[in-house]
Amino acid sequence: NAGVMQNPRHLVRRRGQEARLRCSPMKGHSHVYWYRQLPEEGLKFMVYLQKENIIDESGMPKERFSAEFPKEGPSILRIQQVVRGDSAAYFCASSRDSQTSTDTQYFGPGTRLTVL
Amino acid sequence: AQSVAQPEDQVNVAEGNPLTVKCTYSVSGNPYLFWYVQYPNRGLQFLLKYITGDNLVKGSYGFEAEFNKSQTSFHLKKPSALVSDSALYFCAVRHTSGGSYIPTFGRGTSLIVHP
Repeated sequence: NAGVMQNPRHLVRRRGQEARLRCSPMKGHSHVYWYRQLPEEGLKFMVYLQKENIIDESGMPKERFSAEFPKEGPSILRIQQVVRGDSAAYFCASSRDSQTSTDTQYFGPGTRLTVL
Repeated sequence: AQSVAQPEDQVNVAEGNPLTVKCTYSVSGNPYLFWYVQYPNRGLQFLLKYITGDNLVKGSYGFEAEFNKSQTSFHLKKPSALVSDSALYFCAVRHTSGGSYIPTFGRGTSLIVHP
């Protein structure tokens, strides 16, 4: 049973370009969470999605960032017009059922975004 | 509101000695508590969680954690450290009173085990 998959593992973009990060949850999981990790700052929640729905985007910057989790295919975190401050590791996690608050999140290996 | 504090940025311990990585939390109502470990250039791996019941929780790789409600703590422990335990450790808390159950993570503690 494959774990959470993320690609690419490393992504380099120039300022102003778009970055697309993909996440495939574990088999049987229908809830996806995106986090950003900056050095010395720990893990910051960005957005929580179920299939075709954004449930909680309270941690997402209001501009340039968007996320989706379509009926078919992976969840995508999109960053438009990237700036150097967007350089970070972006992690995706999935869980079976968030409505059960005891449910555990399982994390992917992350995408390390570098903006030149 | 919920929050987690990991008061030590780094913990150093000699191989074979017991280790403790500290975590305190703040949450309204009863907490659900988690520990994760992150190796370099990898994602977070689940270690253990406290939901209810016995205050001592056993997890992967010989780790355990003790829930202390009066001190609002959930320290991670291991009786005998290995060099391979060197990694970044994250504590997380979730409230149980509704909402989307998004956990809050601490800033992480770097554990260094010396040979």
